[in-house]
Amino acid sequence: KAGVTQTPRYLIKTRGQQVTLSCSPISGHRSVSWYQQTPGQGLQFLFEYFSETQRNKGNFPGRFSGRQFSNSRSEMNVSTLELGDSALYLCASSLGTEHQPQHFGDGTRLSIL
Amino acid sequence: DQQVKQNSPSLSVQEGRISILNCDYTNSMFDYFLWYKKYPAEGPTFLISISSIKDKNEDGRFTVFLNKSAKHLSLHIVPSQPGDSAVYFCAASGNPGAGSYQLTFGKGTKLSVIP
Repeated sequence: KAGVTQTPRYLIKTRGQQVTLSCSPISGHRSVSWYQQTPGQGLQFLFEYFSETQRNKGNFPGRFSGRQFSNSRSEMNVSTLELGDSALYLCASSLGTEHQPQHFGDGTRLSIL
Repeated sequence: DQQVKQNSPSLSVQEGRISILNCDYTNSMFDYFLWYKKYPAEGPTFLISISSIKDKNEDGRFTVFLNKSAKHLSLHIVPSQPGDSAVYFCAASGNPGAGSYQLTFGKGTKLSVIP
């Protein structure tokens, strides 16, 4: 069974640019969540999508946005990149029902110059 | 304010012995708890979970204990193997009935199993 796939694995951007990250969930999973991991803040929740609707949102500025398609694939967009956005961005999928574990991809390492 | 705390940044254990990783939480609305293992350059791998209606869940060498009154959970690995060396994250989520599916993570504990 294929796991969660994130593309690209690495990305280098400059301040002010925008970026789109992609996530393909495990087949049959309808929930996709995004997390940001930094050395200082650890793993922090960005948002969660279920059946193409944003169901939960973390405390991140509006520059961070996402969407989910009808096949459950998800994209995350960050506009007007700042140096502090350098991080590992992780996507996780689950069935999206009660008490089901989330399964993570290997992440996209975003570096801002 | 950290709602999930792993107070030990690192832990070293001899191969074959028990590893005990601890986690404390402050939010009484959390009712589902998980442990993940993470190797460098990989995403977290789900290990084991427990819901708040239980106080113990076992899966092979891994056992999670939950003490709701103390808001404390622990992961026991017996016996520990060198391949268990990784960073372990504790995570918690609220009641899905209230719409909360997000995971709140601790900062992690780096486990080193010495051969």
